[in-house]
Amino acid sequence: EAGVTQFPSHSVIEKGQTVTLRCDPISGHDNLYWYRRVMGKEIKFLLHFVKESKQDESGMPNNRFLAERTGGTYSTLKVQPAELEDSGVYFCASSLRLAGSNEQFFGPGTRLTVL
Amino acid sequence: AQSVTQPDIHITVSEGASLELRCNYSYGATPYLFWYVQSPGQGLQLLLKYFSGDTLVQGIKGFEAEFKRSQSSFNLRKPSVHWSDAAEYFCAVGGIGTGRRALTFGSGTRLQVQP
Repeated sequence: EAGVTQFPSHSVIEKGQTVTLRCDPISGHDNLYWYRRVMGKEIKFLLHFVKESKQDESGMPNNRFLAERTGGTYSTLKVQPAELEDSGVYFCASSLRLAGSNEQFFGPGTRLTVL
Repeated sequence: AQSVTQPDIHITVSEGASLELRCNYSYGATPYLFWYVQSPGQGLQLLLKYFSGDTLVQGIKGFEAEFKRSQSSFNLRKPSVHWSDAAEYFCAVGGIGTGRRALTFGSGTRLQVQP
């Protein structure tokens, strides 16, 4: 079974440009999460989808970040326009929708560098 | 608000020595507790988890962790460290019985293994 995949693995852009990150969850996982780790700090939650609906987007830092999950399969996270402080590693995770289970499977992350 | 503290940013041990990584959490109810590991160039891999029941949890790669409610701790242990254990380790807490499934992570502990 394929794990969570993310594309690209690295992205280097200039301040003011737009970048779109993609996440493909494990097949059948209704729950999809985005997290990021900025400058070696803790990994922080961004948002959570259940199928195509945003269940919790309390961690989104500002309106330059837009996440979508059309059709409840893969998800994209767009940063527009990118700022220097957006540099970091963006992780995607997915989990089954099972009561009492919250095990999340993580992808390898996308390292974003904003110059 | 829930939080996780990993007081050790960096730990160095000799191969074959025992290991204990500390994790303290703050949460208003019984939490789900996790330890993840990130090896260089890899995504986060789940080592073990605690949901309920026996407070001593066995995980993969010979790791174990003990949940101590009175101390709000969930320390990770391994009796004999291997060079391949060099990685960054993250403790995380998730909610039970709530709609919010996001994980709250500690800032990580980087483990270096000396030959």
